[in-house]
Amino acid sequence: GAGVSQSPSNKVTEKGKDVELRCDPISGHTALYWYRQSLGQGLEFLIYFQGNSAPDKSGLPSDRFSAERTGGSVSTLTIQRTQQEDSAVYLCASSLRQGNTEAFFGQGTRLTVV
Amino acid sequence: AQTVTQSQPEMSVQEAETVTLSCTYDTSENNYYLFWYKQPPSRQMILVIRQEAYKQQNATENRFSVNFQKAAKSFSLKISDSQLGDTAMYFCAFMKHLPMNRDDKIIFGKGTRLHILP
Repeated sequence: GAGVSQSPSNKVTEKGKDVELRCDPISGHTALYWYRQSLGQGLEFLIYFQGNSAPDKSGLPSDRFSAERTGGSVSTLTIQRTQQEDSAVYLCASSLRQGNTEAFFGQGTRLTVV
Repeated sequence: AQTVTQSQPEMSVQEAETVTLSCTYDTSENNYYLFWYKQPPSRQMILVIRQEAYKQQNATENRFSVNFQKAAKSFSLKISDSQLGDTAMYFCAFMKHLPMNRDDKIIFGKGTRLHILP
């Protein structure tokens, strides 16, 4: 597709369940980011993939959070044993390696843990 | 490491007025890019304007312009003739010219929530 695609758009899950959020970046973009955004708040960096380099996982809030990027394209963010404080919008963005183009964002996945 | 600071968490202005959002950053790099993003209530992040650090001329996009002060490491966004549709969260961001490794990620400020009042 032409843009960054995220699925699902909305996800309601019960506390303690595992969830997987998917991001399909723009074709050819080597950089991929995951952010978390609580209601009305700023962007909380979670993880960054750049080409074949080891990802920067410094923003993952706990070991319940993990992400992978298969074949340098699609990425999955997994949250295990979800907690109510995990409720937020999860945004994915991708960009070219060069800095002269901006990061393009998906519409996000709104996760609600009940 | 680079940092981006937006010192105004929230602002309100009347429709048709001009408003300036501030952004400062810290870097030892000489060549980099700066961005302003807009996030309306629909939550879709949209690029508003981009500035290359090697260009002295301030970038403009219709009613949006920046005041880029490289020596002061300041990058403010001016919105002229503000409209109700400008109501959104605005994020300032920094990116190195050639990200080489996992530490060279785009850096965002915490955002400024802008309300345009009718």
